[in-house]
Amino acid sequence: NAGVTQTPKFQVLKTGQSMTLQCAQDMNHEYMSWYRQDPGMGLRLIHYSVGAGITDQGEVPNGYNVSRSTTEDFPLRLLSAAPSQTSVYFCASTLLAGGYNEQFFGPGTRLTVL
Amino acid sequence: GDSVTQMEGPVTLSEEAFLTINCTYTATGYPSLFWYVQYPGEGLQLLLKATKADDKGSNKGFEATYRKETTSFHLEKGSVQVSDSAVYFCALSDPFQGGSEKLVFGKGTKLTVNP
Repeated sequence: NAGVTQTPKFQVLKTGQSMTLQCAQDMNHEYMSWYRQDPGMGLRLIHYSVGAGITDQGEVPNGYNVSRSTTEDFPLRLLSAAPSQTSVYFCASTLLAGGYNEQFFGPGTRLTVL
Repeated sequence: GDSVTQMEGPVTLSEEAFLTINCTYTATGYPSLFWYVQYPGEGLQLLLKATKADDKGSNKGFEATYRKETTSFHLEKGSVQVSDSAVYFCALSDPFQGGSEKLVFGKGTKLTVNP
């Protein structure tokens, strides 16, 4: 299993540009989520999904869109990038079952918006 | 809402020193508690967890005990190694606040271990 994969690893955008961060998992996990990591802030939840066709907002959803057309993929879209979106983005996935199941994180995408 | 507070870093230790990283939480319900570790250039990995009061999570020589009375989950290791250099995150999930899949993280504590 490749686990959770993310592309690209690094990206530089200009203000106003759009892009999609890709996330895929091959573990047949129902739950997928996106976090951003900022210095001194820990990780904050952007959006999450409990299955194909179902998405919901997390703590900091503004400026980001998501969709979930398949179990495997959960892309994060920035429609008009802003410098405040400079961050490291992590995708995570887990099984939905009784109690807590370990979440698996991807290696991250480091985004800089100029 | 729920929150996690962990000690500010960075923390610098010599090899074989004792490590404590403090973590306290506030939660509406009865949360599960976790420590995640992030090695340089990598994503987060689950280090250990505890799901009820007085549970002790342990892994790779690290331990943490779920203390409901003090709302704490301090991470300890008796003898750190250079390979333990990483950022450590305390986190919780609260079934009464969004479900057991949503994690609330502390700000992270960077640990550097020198030979």
